[in-house]
Amino acid sequence: GEDVEQSLFLSVREGDSSVINCTYTDSSSTYLYWYKQEPGAGLQLLTYIFSNMDMKQDQRLTVLLNKKDKHLSLRIADTQTGDSAIYFCAEPKAAGNKLTFGGGTRVLVKP
Amino acid sequence: EAQVTQNPRYLITVTGKKLTVTCSQNMNHEYMSWYRQDPGLGLRQIYYSMNVEVTDKGDVPEGYKVSRKEKRNFPLILESPSPNQTSLYFCASSFAGPGANVLTFGAGSRLTVL
Repeated sequence: GEDVEQSLFLSVREGDSSVINCTYTDSSSTYLYWYKQEPGAGLQLLTYIFSNMDMKQDQRLTVLLNKKDKHLSLRIADTQTGDSAIYFCAEPKAAGNKLTFGGGTRVLVKP
Repeated sequence: EAQVTQNPRYLITVTGKKLTVTCSQNMNHEYMSWYRQDPGLGLRQIYYSMNVEVTDKGDVPEGYKVSRKEKRNFPLILESPSPNQTSLYFCASSFAGPGANVLTFGAGSRLTVL
């Protein structure tokens, strides 16, 4: 995941908003993804955004895409203890379905 | 239930003892892939397969082999494991082709090589 960069850690109080940032490399990426990994589990898709969109909202989740700066962010409103997890952004690379993942941001929600 | 199943979930082995981690999916996905997850490095792709008998190297293929004889199975083979292959391994699958092909991940296999 050396091409996709994320901060390593985020601590947030329950009820506050969390913002997780990601920078990617390929301006031609058609889709960009956010995956969530809960402790002891595999990754699950959280949401994705098509590259011709600037924003996508899905309940408590808001994805913002700045193609000019190759910056992707995930905002979680009203963060809850169940949101404690590692969050990965990912972009497709080269042929087929190959995804390159960032290093993951560990989010810790404090009560 | 649609899922990707990996076995074993946990394994401790010794250097040089060949092992295979199995991966099976029941969603008729064309694409399958293996990743390893290491602290601070995120997920790195080891090998992937676009369809039966079609496999290709990912970013970190050294020390690993794969095969895709059937659409549903994509085993990861470590012919002579070494301690630097101690890691958490994930198998994933998806449909191939245009569009947002969402990966479905297995629960992971934690491998320790002594």
